[in-house]
Amino acid sequence: DAGVIQSPRHEVTEMGQEVTLRCKPISGHDYLFWYRQTMMRGLELLIYFNNNVPIDDSGMPEDRFSAKMPNASFSTLKIQPSEPRDSAVYFCASSLGVFGPQHFGDGTRLSIL
Amino acid sequence: AQSVTQLDSQVPVFEEAPVELRCNYSSSVSVYLFWYVQYPNQGLQLLLKYLSGSTLVESINGFEAEFNKSQTSFHLRKPSVHISDTAEYFCAVSHNNAGNMLTFGGGTRLMVKP
Repeated sequence: DAGVIQSPRHEVTEMGQEVTLRCKPISGHDYLFWYRQTMMRGLELLIYFNNNVPIDDSGMPEDRFSAKMPNASFSTLKIQPSEPRDSAVYFCASSLGVFGPQHFGDGTRLSIL
Repeated sequence: AQSVTQLDSQVPVFEEAPVELRCNYSSSVSVYLFWYVQYPNQGLQLLLKYLSGSTLVESINGFEAEFNKSQTSFHLRKPSVHISDTAEYFCAVSHNNAGNMLTFGGGTRLMVKP
């Protein structure tokens, strides 16, 4: 059974550029989460979806960040324009049901120069 | 609002020694508690969870954690660690009205030395 798949694994880009991170959840899971991990702030929940609908985006830091889930098997997190302080590891996770355990992808390590 | 405190950012320990990673939480409602492990360059993996029932929960690789409501703690223990247990461990809490919306602690890096 394939786990949560994230791409790219690493992204290095210059500030001001648009960045798109991608996530394929585990088939059949109905919840999808986006997290950001930094040394300073630890692991933060940015947004989560239930059945492709955004439920809580209170963790999204600014309007520069947006997330979509056009179907049950794909989600994107976009940053436009990107800034050096957005450098972090971004994780996607999915789960089945309200109390199902969350399964994490291996993350995207983003560096904004 | 809820919060999770992991008191130790790093715990060095020799192989085959016992270890305890501490976790305290604050919440005004009933909670569910989790421990996740993160190996280098990987995502988090669920280690064990407490939802209800017995306050002592175990994982398949020898870790256990005990929910202590009066002390609002959920410490993780292992009687004898291996080199392969070297990783970062995260305690997390959710409350029963928010399902699986997790609040994570800052993490504890367990470093097992030969």
